[in-house]
Formats: sequence, C-alpha cells, structure tokens
Amino acid sequence: AAGVIQSPRHLIKEKRETATLKCYPIPRHDTVYWYQQGPGQDPQFLISFYEKMQSDKGSIPDRFSAQQFSDYHSELNMSSLELGDSALYFCASSIPTGLASADTQYFGPGTRLTVL
Amino acid sequence: RKEVEQDPGPFNVPEGATVAFNCTYSNSASQSFFWYRQDCRKEPKLLMSVYSSGNEDGRFTAQLNRASQYISLLIRDSKLSDSATYLCVGDNYGQNFVFGPGTRLSVLP
Repeated sequence: AAGVIQSPRHLIKEKRETATLKCYPIPRHDTVYWYQQGPGQDPQFLISFYEKMQSDKGSIPDRFSAQQFSDYHSELNMSSLELGDSALYFCASSIPTGLASADTQYFGPGTRLTVL
Repeated sequence: RKEVEQDPGPFNVPEGATVAFNCTYSNSASQSFFWYRQDCRKEPKLLMSVYSSGNEDGRFTAQLNRASQYISLLIRDSKLSDSATYLCVGDNYGQNFVFGPGTRLSVLP
C-alpha cells in the first residue's frame, strides 16, 4: 500500500541557511501534519493542514512556515536555521472519518535535518 | 507536567514474557487514543487505536479507563521483534496528536 513520502530523507545545512522539506500524503488523504522529534524526545506537533487550509498550529517557530498545495502535498519552509533545529521532521497524513475524535495518522519516514 | 505520561522504562523482558505499559493523560477533553511503536530512527507506526473501553489485536491488548484517565497496553508472548519504543498518544481536542515520552522495551533471547 502507498505510504507517506517525504523528501529529502537527509539534509545538512549551515546556521542561518534555509531549508524546505516536502511531504506527499497517502492518496486520498487530505490532511497533513508536521512533527519535530529532537534526539531522545517524543514527536512535537508543529502544524497541520486540511484541504489546503491551516487547521491547527502547535509549537512551530515563527521562522518556519508551511503550506498545502492543490495536489495535497505540503512543504515546510525553515529559515534562519539554528543548531537546535537539528531533528527528525515527520509528516503524517489522515483521511477524515467524520467522528469527533482524532483521525488515525500515518507517518512518513521522516527527514533528518542536521544544522552545522 | 506533560499532558501524556508513560512509564519511563526501559523494560527488559525475556522472550515469551507478558509485559504491560501504563499511560496517563491530563486532558479530559481527549477523545481518542493510540499506541504507536517506533524503532530507532524510524517513523512511528500505528500499533492500535484505543476507542471506548479498549480493544485486542492478537498478542496486544489495549484498555482505556476514562474515569481514571488511564490507558494500558499489554503484550503477551513477547517476541524479539517487539523490541521498540512504545508511544502513547492522545488527541488534543480531537485534532492533533500529543505524544507521551515513550517506553522502551527490549525483549531478550
């Protein structure tokens, strides 16, 4: 079965540079979520999109922005990179069930960002 | 205090053992819960959704106690391949996920 695709899988940047991470959700999934997982930490929610509109916002720094495009893929743009931004960045996707509870999220393999 | 708390672990158990993980959550508005497993440097993978009072899937049983705001995961007949970090997840007002810190399990031969 098709899974969530993320690119690149690994990225090395210098401080103050910019980075763009891409996420392609599972076909027919219209909701995309971004998470940041630092070393030894649990994933922290950054931001989510539903039908190309921002649906929720978590602990995303002002230096980061994201959007969802008409084909439902999403990009996370990171500027003025800091050493502390080094982490695994996961994208997840879901399809709405119409229930009041959260939909099951399926995670991509992640992008490992290293800031030097 | 984290919104979702888990047993710190690590749990080191022999093959064939039964092991139970506990998880508590503080947001009484959370509606649904999940257990994910995560292998080192890999993505979280859904193990089980936990709705209403709980559910069972093969060797895995999850239980939910809304009154106590407590979720558990029981693994029977542990296999070497069960070694991973188990993440307890609750929803944030029915939207994004809040992860617990994870419990590391090592199943030993």
